Amino acid sequence: AQSVTQLGSHVSVSEGALVLLRCNYSSSVPPYLFWYVQYPNQGLQLLLKYTSAATLVKGINGFEAEFKKSETSFHLTKPSAHMSDAAEYFCAVRRTGNQFYFGTGTSLTVIP
Amino acid sequence: EAGVAQSPRYKIIEKRQSVAFWCNPISGHATLYWYQQILGQGPKLLIQFQNNGVVDDSQLPKDRFSAERLKGVDSTLKIQPAKLEDSAVYLCASSSIGASSYNEQFFGPGTRLTVL
Repeated sequence: AQSVTQLGSHVSVSEGALVLLRCNYSSSVPPYLFWYVQYPNQGLQLLLKYTSAATLVKGINGFEAEFKKSETSFHLTKPSAHMSDAAEYFCAVRRTGNQFYFGTGTSLTVIP
Repeated sequence: EAGVAQSPRYKIIEKRQSVAFWCNPISGHATLYWYQQILGQGPKLLIQFQNNGVVDDSQLPKDRFSAERLKGVDSTLKIQPAKLEDSAVYLCASSSIGASSYNEQFFGPGTRLTVL
Protein backbone atom coordinates (compact mmCIF):
# COMPACT_ATOMS: atom_id res chain seq x y z
CA ALA A 1 0.00 0.00 0.00
CA GLN A 2 1.14 3.48 -0.72
CA SER A 3 1.50 5.85 2.21
CA VAL A 4 3.51 8.80 3.43
CA THR A 5 5.29 9.50 6.69
CA GLN A 6 6.10 12.97 7.89
CA LEU A 7 8.94 13.18 10.38
CA GLY A 8 8.55 15.90 12.97
CA SER A 9 5.11 17.09 13.93
CA HIS A 10 6.48 20.53 14.85
CA VAL A 11 9.30 22.49 13.26
CA SER A 12 10.49 25.92 14.38
CA VAL A 13 12.81 28.11 12.34
CA SER A 14 13.96 31.69 12.58
CA GLU A 15 12.79 34.17 10.01
CA GLY A 16 15.21 34.04 7.07
CA ALA A 17 16.45 30.55 7.90
CA LEU A 18 16.14 27.43 5.79
CA VAL A 19 12.90 25.49 6.02
CA LEU A 20 13.10 21.70 5.72
CA LEU A 21 10.01 19.56 6.16
CA ARG A 22 10.45 15.84 5.73
CA CYS A 23 8.27 13.34 3.90
CA ASN A 24 9.02 9.73 3.08
CA TYR A 25 6.81 7.56 0.97
CA SER A 26 6.32 3.85 0.67
CA SER A 27 5.43 2.64 -2.74
CA SER A 28 6.23 -0.21 -5.04
CA VAL A 29 5.44 1.86 -8.09
CA PRO A 30 6.30 5.44 -9.05
CA PRO A 31 4.30 7.59 -6.67
CA TYR A 32 2.24 10.64 -7.31
CA LEU A 33 3.24 12.99 -4.52
CA PHE A 34 1.90 16.32 -3.36
CA TRP A 35 2.56 18.94 -0.70
CA TYR A 36 -0.34 20.94 0.67
CA VAL A 37 -0.39 23.87 3.09
CA GLN A 38 -3.18 24.66 5.51
CA TYR A 39 -3.50 28.06 7.14
CA PRO A 40 -5.60 28.41 10.30
CA ASN A 41 -9.30 27.94 9.70
CA GLN A 42 -8.82 27.28 6.01
CA GLY A 43 -8.86 24.33 3.68
CA LEU A 44 -5.77 22.79 2.13
CA GLN A 45 -3.98 24.53 -0.71
CA LEU A 46 -1.66 22.81 -3.15
CA LEU A 47 1.97 23.89 -2.87
CA LEU A 48 3.48 21.59 -5.47
CA LYS A 49 3.25 18.16 -7.03
CA TYR A 50 5.68 15.62 -8.38
CA THR A 51 5.02 14.91 -12.05
CA SER A 52 8.12 12.85 -12.89
CA ALA A 53 9.22 15.47 -15.42
CA ALA A 54 11.95 16.61 -13.04
CA THR A 55 13.16 15.49 -9.64
CA LEU A 56 13.29 19.05 -8.34
CA VAL A 57 9.83 20.52 -8.25
CA LYS A 58 9.17 24.20 -7.74
CA GLY A 59 5.95 25.34 -6.15
CA ILE A 60 4.28 28.49 -4.99
CA ASN A 61 5.58 30.92 -2.37
CA GLY A 62 9.21 29.95 -3.00
CA PHE A 63 8.86 26.33 -1.88
CA GLU A 64 10.40 23.41 -3.69
CA ALA A 65 10.73 19.68 -3.16
CA GLU A 66 13.17 17.11 -4.42
CA PHE A 67 12.10 13.60 -5.32
CA LYS A 68 14.79 11.09 -4.32
CA LYS A 69 13.91 7.57 -5.32
CA SER A 70 16.95 6.06 -3.58
CA GLU A 71 15.80 7.56 -0.29
CA THR A 72 12.04 7.30 -0.99
CA SER A 73 11.81 10.91 0.07
CA PHE A 74 10.06 14.05 -1.09
CA HIS A 75 11.23 16.71 1.37
CA LEU A 76 9.91 20.25 1.18
CA THR A 77 12.34 23.16 1.42
CA LYS A 78 12.42 26.92 1.26
CA PRO A 79 15.72 28.84 1.40
CA SER A 80 14.46 31.69 3.57
CA ALA A 81 11.49 31.46 5.91
CA HIS A 82 8.98 34.24 6.10
CA MET A 83 6.54 34.91 8.90
CA SER A 84 3.67 34.21 6.52
CA ASP A 85 4.93 30.63 6.06
CA ALA A 86 3.69 29.67 9.51
CA ALA A 87 1.07 26.99 8.82
CA GLU A 88 0.44 23.25 8.78
CA TYR A 89 2.04 21.31 5.93
CA PHE A 90 0.84 17.97 4.63
CA CYS A 91 2.50 15.50 2.33
CA ALA A 92 0.11 13.33 0.33
CA VAL A 93 0.25 10.43 -2.09
CA ARG A 94 -2.25 9.62 -4.76
CA ARG A 95 -3.12 6.01 -5.22
CA THR A 96 -4.83 4.32 -8.10
CA GLY A 97 -8.50 5.09 -8.19
CA ASN A 98 -7.82 8.77 -7.59
CA GLN A 99 -7.54 8.19 -3.84
CA PHE A 100 -5.35 10.46 -1.75
CA TYR A 101 -3.70 9.64 1.57
CA PHE A 102 -2.23 12.33 3.77
CA GLY A 103 0.56 12.35 6.29
CA THR A 104 -0.04 13.49 9.83
CA GLY A 105 1.21 16.97 9.10
CA THR A 106 4.03 19.24 10.25
CA SER A 107 3.29 22.49 12.02
CA LEU A 108 5.78 25.17 11.02
CA THR A 109 6.49 28.03 13.40
CA VAL A 110 8.55 30.98 12.22
CA ILE A 111 10.32 32.91 14.95
CA PRO A 112 10.91 36.62 14.31
CA GLU B 1 -13.02 29.63 -11.62
CA ALA B 2 -15.03 29.31 -8.45
CA GLY B 3 -13.59 27.06 -5.78
CA VAL B 4 -15.15 24.33 -3.70
CA ALA B 5 -17.95 25.72 -1.57
CA GLN B 6 -18.97 24.35 1.81
CA SER B 7 -21.58 25.30 4.33
CA PRO B 8 -21.98 25.92 7.14
CA ARG B 9 -18.50 27.01 8.18
CA TYR B 10 -19.13 26.33 11.85
CA LYS B 11 -21.63 24.18 13.68
CA ILE B 12 -22.11 23.47 17.37
CA ILE B 13 -24.47 20.70 18.43
CA GLU B 14 -25.08 18.50 21.42
CA LYS B 15 -24.33 14.81 21.34
CA ARG B 16 -27.07 12.62 19.91
CA GLN B 17 -28.26 15.46 17.69
CA SER B 18 -28.13 15.32 13.91
CA VAL B 19 -26.15 17.55 11.57
CA ALA B 20 -25.69 17.90 7.83
CA PHE B 21 -22.96 19.48 5.77
CA TRP B 22 -23.19 20.65 2.18
CA CYS B 23 -20.54 20.77 -0.54
CA ASN B 24 -20.55 22.17 -4.06
CA PRO B 25 -17.46 21.08 -6.02
CA ILE B 26 -15.70 22.88 -8.80
CA SER B 27 -17.74 22.79 -11.96
CA GLY B 28 -16.90 19.78 -14.10
CA HIS B 29 -15.06 17.87 -11.40
CA ALA B 30 -16.34 14.32 -11.41
CA THR B 31 -14.64 13.17 -8.23
CA LEU B 32 -15.74 14.45 -4.84
CA TYR B 33 -14.24 13.61 -1.46
CA TRP B 34 -15.27 14.06 2.15
CA TYR B 35 -12.53 14.08 4.75
CA GLN B 36 -12.56 14.24 8.51
CA GLN B 37 -9.71 16.17 10.08
CA ILE B 38 -9.38 15.83 13.82
CA LEU B 39 -7.32 18.51 15.54
CA GLY B 40 -3.62 17.84 15.12
CA GLN B 41 -4.07 15.12 12.51
CA GLY B 42 -4.05 14.83 8.76
CA PRO B 43 -7.28 14.55 6.78
CA LYS B 44 -8.83 11.09 6.79
CA LEU B 45 -10.89 10.05 3.80
CA LEU B 46 -14.48 9.26 4.71
CA ILE B 47 -16.02 8.76 1.30
CA GLN B 48 -15.15 9.28 -2.34
CA PHE B 49 -17.66 9.73 -5.14
CA GLN B 50 -17.11 9.57 -8.85
CA ASN B 51 -20.06 11.28 -10.46
CA ASN B 52 -22.93 10.00 -8.30
CA GLY B 53 -21.43 6.61 -7.51
CA VAL B 54 -19.44 5.66 -4.42
CA VAL B 55 -15.81 4.66 -5.10
CA ASP B 56 -14.63 4.19 -1.53
CA ASP B 57 -16.50 4.44 1.76
CA SER B 58 -14.45 1.94 3.72
CA GLN B 59 -13.66 4.42 6.50
CA LEU B 60 -17.14 5.88 6.80
CA PRO B 61 -18.83 4.91 10.10
CA LYS B 62 -21.97 3.79 8.39
CA ASP B 63 -23.95 3.32 11.58
CA ARG B 64 -24.09 7.09 12.00
CA PHE B 65 -22.63 8.74 8.90
CA SER B 66 -24.25 8.91 5.50
CA ALA B 67 -23.47 10.80 2.34
CA GLU B 68 -25.05 11.29 -1.02
CA ARG B 69 -24.26 13.01 -4.24
CA LEU B 70 -27.42 13.29 -6.22
CA LYS B 71 -27.05 14.18 -9.90
CA GLY B 72 -23.29 13.95 -9.58
CA VAL B 73 -22.80 17.55 -8.46
CA ASP B 74 -23.56 18.73 -4.92
CA SER B 75 -23.08 16.45 -1.98
CA THR B 76 -24.30 16.26 1.60
CA LEU B 77 -22.73 14.50 4.54
CA LYS B 78 -24.92 13.68 7.52
CA ILE B 79 -24.17 12.53 11.03
CA GLN B 80 -27.01 11.01 13.04
CA PRO B 81 -26.64 10.80 15.99
CA ALA B 82 -23.46 12.74 16.70
CA LYS B 83 -20.91 11.67 19.28
CA LEU B 84 -18.32 13.72 21.11
CA GLU B 85 -15.54 12.14 19.04
CA ASP B 86 -17.10 13.49 15.86
CA SER B 87 -15.79 16.95 16.74
CA ALA B 88 -13.54 17.77 13.81
CA VAL B 89 -13.24 19.78 10.63
CA TYR B 90 -15.04 18.20 7.71
CA LEU B 91 -13.35 18.97 4.44
CA CYS B 92 -14.79 18.57 0.99
CA ALA B 93 -12.53 18.33 -2.03
CA SER B 94 -12.93 17.70 -5.72
CA SER B 95 -10.74 16.70 -8.61
CA SER B 96 -11.06 15.99 -12.29
CA ILE B 97 -10.50 12.52 -13.73
CA GLY B 98 -8.66 13.44 -16.88
CA ALA B 99 -5.89 11.39 -18.38
CA SER B 100 -3.26 12.93 -16.15
CA SER B 101 -2.42 11.02 -13.01
CA TYR B 102 -1.27 14.20 -11.38
CA ASN B 103 -4.64 15.85 -11.00
CA GLU B 104 -4.59 17.41 -7.60
CA GLN B 105 -7.49 17.91 -5.25
CA PHE B 106 -9.03 21.29 -4.59
CA PHE B 107 -10.31 21.80 -1.08
CA GLY B 108 -13.12 23.81 0.36
CA PRO B 109 -12.69 25.86 3.55
CA GLY B 110 -14.18 23.11 5.71
CA THR B 111 -16.90 22.92 8.31
CA ARG B 112 -15.77 22.97 11.92
CA LEU B 113 -18.08 20.77 13.99
CA THR B 114 -18.12 20.91 17.76
CA VAL B 115 -20.14 18.29 19.61
CA LEU B 116 -20.89 19.13 23.24
